[in-house]
Amino acid sequence: GENVEQHPSTLSVQEGDSAVIKCTYSDSASNYFPWYKQELGKGPQLIIDIRSNVGEKKDQRIAVTLNKTAKHFSLHITETQPEDSAVYFCAASNFGNEKLTFGTGTRLTIIP
Amino acid sequence: NAGVTQTPKFQVLKTGQSMTLQCAQDMNHNSMYWYRQDPGMGLRLIYYSASEGTTDKGEVPNGYNVSRLNKREFSLRLESAAPSQTSVYFCASSNRQGGSPLHFGNGTRLTVT
Repeated sequence: GENVEQHPSTLSVQEGDSAVIKCTYSDSASNYFPWYKQELGKGPQLIIDIRSNVGEKKDQRIAVTLNKTAKHFSLHITETQPEDSAVYFCAASNFGNEKLTFGTGTRLTIIP
Repeated sequence: NAGVTQTPKFQVLKTGQSMTLQCAQDMNHNSMYWYRQDPGMGLRLIYYSASEGTTDKGEVPNGYNVSRLNKREFSLRLESAAPSQTSVYFCASSNRQGGSPLHFGNGTRLTVT
């Protein structure tokens, strides 16, 4: 089955700087790569996703890049703000949500 | 519009006790899921229901049962709780199975002593 590795497990950045979280996946058939943000005491919430026919996608301060050849994808957050502090999860699947495999999470802390 | 609602928020059980975790969604979604979240292990799928009337096993189904009561409700039952089932449980729903965002509830923190 699919295996998703996520790094780093914790990340601290100064407010205003950029943060990058990286994930690798093992199944070359995977074609859907969402990122979820989990705030303390809440369930994860989708923040951005990318499909395998696209190399990069941006939404304001958040971007995701995908390298299918190397089987890795990354989340980039620019101009970080205190409200970006949370745990971020990457995931990968071959189409179906029931096959969605999550990474182990990155705890991002923004230092004011 | 409440989204996905889970009850209870917290629960403590003794080994061998049983309980049912409740989940309801008001988004008219077809698919519903139960995950468990453990430190350092991300989210792992326990069971899912692709549509009303169907349920299937996920990655870690042992020790659990589910019921898709109707389109809105999907419950998770622990028949004989074990300490290894101490975890945070999340229910989620999605409009369809493929590449559709998961909408999560706020979780149930379960401790089995």
